Amino acid sequence: QKEVEQDPGPLSVPEGAIVSLNCTYSNSAFQYFMWYRQYSRKGPELLMYTYSSGNKEDGRFTAQVDKSSKYISLFIRDSQPSDSATYLCAMSDDGNNRLAFGKGNQVVVIP
Amino acid sequence: GAVVSQHPSWVICKSGTSVKIECRSLDFQATTMFWYRQFPKQSLMLMATSNEGSKATYEQGVEKDKFLINHASLTLSTLTVTSAHPEDSSFYICSARFRSSSGANVLTFGAGSRLTVL
Repeated sequence: QKEVEQDPGPLSVPEGAIVSLNCTYSNSAFQYFMWYRQYSRKGPELLMYTYSSGNKEDGRFTAQVDKSSKYISLFIRDSQPSDSATYLCAMSDDGNNRLAFGKGNQVVVIP
Repeated sequence: GAVVSQHPSWVICKSGTSVKIECRSLDFQATTMFWYRQFPKQSLMLMATSNEGSKATYEQGVEKDKFLINHASLTLSTLTVTSAHPEDSSFYICSARFRSSSGANVLTFGAGSRLTVL
């Protein structure tokens, strides 16, 4: 079993819809959880950063962490065509140094 | 914000030659940088951790003699792919640790370097 599981998609949604992404993991020592956005042929860009369990909201983005279920989610409200990208979850047990990444989930927002 | 610059963004080389990729932290000092490799539609795989002034730490299965890492200053780490072969063709991405305004340690990534070995 891989440390981090993420369905690669692709996921197509109409503009304005809510995008729901998630990852599961097996390592109970993970404490730091991140979501990165990666456009084609570019490096990942940090979107959300969460420590331990709970919710975090930033504009149209909401990150949720459920450590008891080893499950994290990212929600994008009022999705825009510019949100079309690959979204990678990442997590670490040592303060964001050695990250374990999911495969990435390709999202396409259709105008 | 923290910016990591990576150069070149793409390179094509002949089999058997060596290629050097540079990773620079532009507005902050990075004692630690990380090198990743990413195949199409695959996750980022950590190759090695680059430490300023000391030897890099390689992940299991990564050949040290093939992927030479040098971190000679607080703002520059280089990855040299020696005697490159077609199977080394990939997207190489570096990252550096940065302390955000909220106090959290986050990783900032470069734009990546696409290597194609003919």
